[in-house]
Amino acid sequence: EAQVTQNPRYLITVTGKKLTVTCSQNMNHEYMSWYRQDPGLGLRQIYYSMNVEVTDKGDVPEGYKVSRKEKRNFPLILESPSPNQTSLYFCASSFDSGVNYGYTFGSGTRLTVV
Amino acid sequence: DQQVKQNSPSLSVQEGRISILNCDYTNSMFDYFLWYKKYPAEGPTFLISISSIKDKNEDGRFTVFLNKSAKHLSLHIVPSQPGDSAVYFCAAIGFQGAQKLVFGQGTRLTINP
Repeated sequence: EAQVTQNPRYLITVTGKKLTVTCSQNMNHEYMSWYRQDPGLGLRQIYYSMNVEVTDKGDVPEGYKVSRKEKRNFPLILESPSPNQTSLYFCASSFDSGVNYGYTFGSGTRLTVV
Repeated sequence: DQQVKQNSPSLSVQEGRISILNCDYTNSMFDYFLWYKKYPAEGPTFLISISSIKDKNEDGRFTVFLNKSAKHLSLHIVPSQPGDSAVYFCAAIGFQGAQKLVFGQGTRLTINP
């Protein structure tokens, strides 16, 4: 089944403790992206990648890092999480930059930073 | 600054009637517009898209209309079904590159039997 898999689904952590949210897609998509969803703000792009070793900042990149060492994986790294990073996170991938077929999204990771 | 806005947080429609979801944008450089649907505990799923050179795109019960002069797009669902109850996001892709997908805040649609 074609899908984007994120792990974990739920995570509670403490301020300053480094964490990684993994994302993997099995569709051989070149484009991958991370979003966060917050009430009243919709989905905001954190980082995106157009191919292996090619990444760029989205609209809210502060406090996040990403890497794209393999085509299928696009992990999101929070080096020193803070409470304002408590949010619902989505990873997404696309074949054609999302124009014709849209992005395929993962099921989300709900992160709470205390 | 919110470049893509959905001013109605919620909408309630009777089953079988038409649902109309609205979206406004401020940036005239957007090239494509998309609609996504989201159920609780799931990621958004792509519904339909429209190029800025068109004014209408239809896919089954779903039709998207684009009014460039008003910087406004709408999604029509006819007839509405209970399974259409979800949060709908409009999104736009523009001059910053195809990867810069900008979303609105979302509208929660409830279809009443």
